[in-house]
Amino acid sequence: AQTVTQSQPEMSVQEAETVTLSCTYDTSESDYYLFWYKQPPSRQMILVIRQEAYKQQNATENRFSVNFQKAAKSFSLKISDSQLGDAAMYFCACLTYNQGGKLIFGQGTELSVKP
Amino acid sequence: DTGVSQDPRHKITKRGQNVTFRCDPISEHNRLYWYRQTLGQGPEFLTYFQNEAQLEKSRLLSDRFSAERPKGSFSTLEIQRTEQGDSAMYLCASSKTLINNEQFFGPGTRLTVL
Repeated sequence: AQTVTQSQPEMSVQEAETVTLSCTYDTSESDYYLFWYKQPPSRQMILVIRQEAYKQQNATENRFSVNFQKAAKSFSLKISDSQLGDAAMYFCACLTYNQGGKLIFGQGTELSVKP
Repeated sequence: DTGVSQDPRHKITKRGQNVTFRCDPISEHNRLYWYRQTLGQGPEFLTYFQNEAQLEKSRLLSDRFSAERPKGSFSTLEIQRTEQGDSAMYLCASSKTLINNEQFFGPGTRLTVL
């Protein structure tokens, strides 16, 4: 069975600074995908960034980047130049072909941004 | 806006009552997923459809729960004889055919069972 673990229930960052959210996962599959989703308060979940396990290069989307360590089964999210609008719950998730495409989520990290 | 929509957004019911939620996916999306999210937790998979076929159900989905997707369009999730433990946010997501396509989430239906 797949598991996804986020060990930081809460994180805080000063506006314009950089913050890293941690995620570890466990799967026996060789073909899988990893995601970071953002869930703002009372708003729907949106995809922040995705990483294909077969790609060695870390994914980047503007201010968001990941550090994918396949051997360690680690998938952290770095947010650079943090903005007030980044405040939200962030969920790490894993998807494998053999599991029908369902997302397995971590427990989430609540990020607050201080002005 | 042609995103995923869910109705109702909030539902308060008494224990023992039946409730039904609706999800309208993005029109060209073949796959539709239901997740449940309790307070302070990540979403948990319930079931998913490929067109009108329900391909997998989680063990979380007891026999009081039933989901349908007639004609491969909108989907309904019904909970019979609701219990207080059913109180949660029920999220619907849709995606294109490939398993690794991005899942787009709806705003959710928050269920409170008194």
